[in-house]
Amino acid sequence: GNSVTQMEGPVTLSEEAFLTINCTYTATGYPSLFWYVQYPGEGLQLLLKATKADDKGSNKGFEATYRKETTSFHLEKGSVQVSDSAVYFCALLPTGGGADGLTFGKGTHLIIQP
Amino acid sequence: KAGVTQTPRYLIKTRGQQVTLSCSPISGHRSVSWYQQTPGQGLQFLFEYFSETQRNKGNFPGRFSGRQFSNSRSEMNVSTLELGDSALYLCASSFQDYNEQFFGPGTRLTVL
Repeated sequence: GNSVTQMEGPVTLSEEAFLTINCTYTATGYPSLFWYVQYPGEGLQLLLKATKADDKGSNKGFEATYRKETTSFHLEKGSVQVSDSAVYFCALLPTGGGADGLTFGKGTHLIIQP
Repeated sequence: KAGVTQTPRYLIKTRGQQVTLSCSPISGHRSVSWYQQTPGQGLQFLFEYFSETQRNKGNFPGRFSGRQFSNSRSEMNVSTLELGDSALYLCASSFQDYNEQFFGPGTRLTVL
């Protein structure tokens, strides 16, 4: 079946540090890939997405590139801020649609210290 | 444009009871999906409704059910509550498919 694997953390960084959160997936074909962010007490917000191989999604300084050869979609940001502290979820939508909805990773808790 | 709203935000029930959660999607969105979020299992897909019809269903027992009304508002019902049903239930809406889902803040259900 489909699955998403990501580090769970917590990941603790200092402000202005470089961020990488790894995400790898298992799925047949060419799924669409997403990063969602969840701030305390809130629902999930779509951060960025990529729908085909080699696509780069970007938003608010975050980037992720769809790598078919390594089945990965790692999230990066060059300089994190305290306000980036949240839980980040990698997710996939299988080729052909979502009979099982989005498949999410377990989430990575990111803590940015001033 | 107003976001996805869910009511109530918090619920406390006891085992054996039933509960109904409500979700109002973004205006114009016809697809509503429900997810269960727990520390152990993470986010799991419950079901999706589109134009008042259940279009997809996850791997949950029949105690979990839902419906969607003509105005796209959706409700989910859990009967005969178990301790393991304690979770954050998230609703997400989209215009047509899963590629641009907008999530509500969730309903935190605690079963005692």
